[in-house]
Amino acid sequence: EDKVVQSPLSLVVHEGDTVTLNCSYEVTNFRSLLWYKQEKKAPTFLFMLTSSGIEKKSGRLSSILDKKELFSILNITATQTGDSAVYLCAVEARAGGTSYGKLTFGQGTILTVHP
Amino acid sequence: DAGVIQSPRHEVTEMGQEVTLRCKPISGHDYLFWYRQTMMRGLELLIYFNNNVPIDDSGMPEDRFSAKMPNASFSTLKIQPSEPRDSAVYFCASSPRRDENTFGSGTRLTVV
Repeated sequence: EDKVVQSPLSLVVHEGDTVTLNCSYEVTNFRSLLWYKQEKKAPTFLFMLTSSGIEKKSGRLSSILDKKELFSILNITATQTGDSAVYLCAVEARAGGTSYGKLTFGQGTILTVHP
Repeated sequence: DAGVIQSPRHEVTEMGQEVTLRCKPISGHDYLFWYRQTMMRGLELLIYFNNNVPIDDSGMPEDRFSAKMPNASFSTLKIQPSEPRDSAVYFCASSPRRDENTFGSGTRLTVV
C-alpha cells in the first residue's frame, strides 16, 4: 500500500524564522510529488516535483525532491503570520499513458507562525 | 472565472437518506477530482474523471458512493444510503493538466 508520511505533525515558530517541512514516501511506480497549502478551506497548489535535485522556488517557498532517499522538503524562509496553514504533501503513482495516477496524501503539517 | 463551484456548502442529513453533492469545474479543465477530508484519514482522492470519463474510482469507499459527470460542466457525488461515518468535507477539484488542481470550497457533510 502506498504511504506518505509528513513530519513534524505540527510546528510553532515566530515571524522571521525559517522552517523545513519533511515528506517521505513509499509508492509503487512513483510519478510526481505535490505540495499544497491549506488554510481555512480548500488546498491550494504550491509545487509539483518530478526530478531529483532540481529545486522549485516561489518567493520565500522552495522545495526539492530526492528520489533515491524517497523524500522531499519544503522550505519557507522569513516566515510570516500568513504562512500559518496546513501543508499537505501528496504523491502520484504512475498510471498508463498521460492520465493522472492515484494520489496519496500525507497527514499534513500544521504550521503556526506567531507575530 | 468563478473557480470551481460546489453546492451545497453545508449539508446535514439523517442516516439512511440520499445525499447528492454537486460540482461545476472551471471551464476548459479536462480533469475533475472528488476528494474527502476527515481528521482521522486526512485528504483522500475518491475518484477522478478525464473528459467526462471516470478513470480511477479505486478510492471510492464502497458501493453506497457513486459519481457521475454527464457533461464537461457538471459532476455529482451521491451517497445512498448515508451513514454517520460519511461525515466529512468533500472537495471537488479540476485541472487542465497533471498539476495545479484548483479546489472548490468544499461541502461539509454531517450525517446524524
